[in-house]
Amino acid sequence: GDSVTQMEGPVTLSEEAFLTINCTYTATGYPSLFWYVQYPGEGLQLLLKATKADDKGSNKGFEATYRKETTSFHLEKGSVQVSDSAVYFCALKKGSGYSTLTFGKGTMLLVSP
Amino acid sequence: DAGVTQSPTHLIKTRGQQVTLRCSPKSGHDTVSWYQQALGQGPQFIFQYYEEEERQRGNFPDRFSGHQFPNYSSELNVNALLLGDSALYLCASSVTDRVEQPQHFGDGTRLSIL
Repeated sequence: GDSVTQMEGPVTLSEEAFLTINCTYTATGYPSLFWYVQYPGEGLQLLLKATKADDKGSNKGFEATYRKETTSFHLEKGSVQVSDSAVYFCALKKGSGYSTLTFGKGTMLLVSP
Repeated sequence: DAGVTQSPTHLIKTRGQQVTLRCSPKSGHDTVSWYQQALGQGPQFIFQYYEEEERQRGNFPDRFSGHQFPNYSSELNVNALLLGDSALYLCASSVTDRVEQPQHFGDGTRLSIL
């Protein structure tokens, strides 16, 4: 079946450091890929998405490129802030709009001043 | 424009009881999906409703059931609660006919079983 694998956390960084959170997937066909962020005590917020190979999703300084050849969708940010501390989830969705999301286990990011 | 809203925010039940969680989708959305998120894990798909019918179901027992109303709102019911049902229950809504449409999530209901 479909699956998403993320690097284990927590990832601990100092403010203004460069961030990479690795995500790889296993799926047949051509899934859409997503990054969601979850702040403490809250639900999931969509951070960015990419719907076909070589697409780059970006939002709030975060970027991720859909690499079909390596089945990866790594999340990057050039300079993290304390407010970026949260849990980040990589997810895939196949087919049309009524398909469901398959999530990774999440990666906690902790940014210190 | 209100997003996805869920109620209640928190709930405490004992083993063997039954619970009903509620969800109102984002305006303009017609599909509702439910997920269970155990502590420290990613969300797991329970089921999805469209046009008042269960369209897809994940690997959850029949103790988990749901309903969708004509106004697209939805309920999740869990019978004979077990300790392992303690989790954050997330509702997500989307527009079914949009291929790349992401799902929008509510803040969840935190269910604790004693």
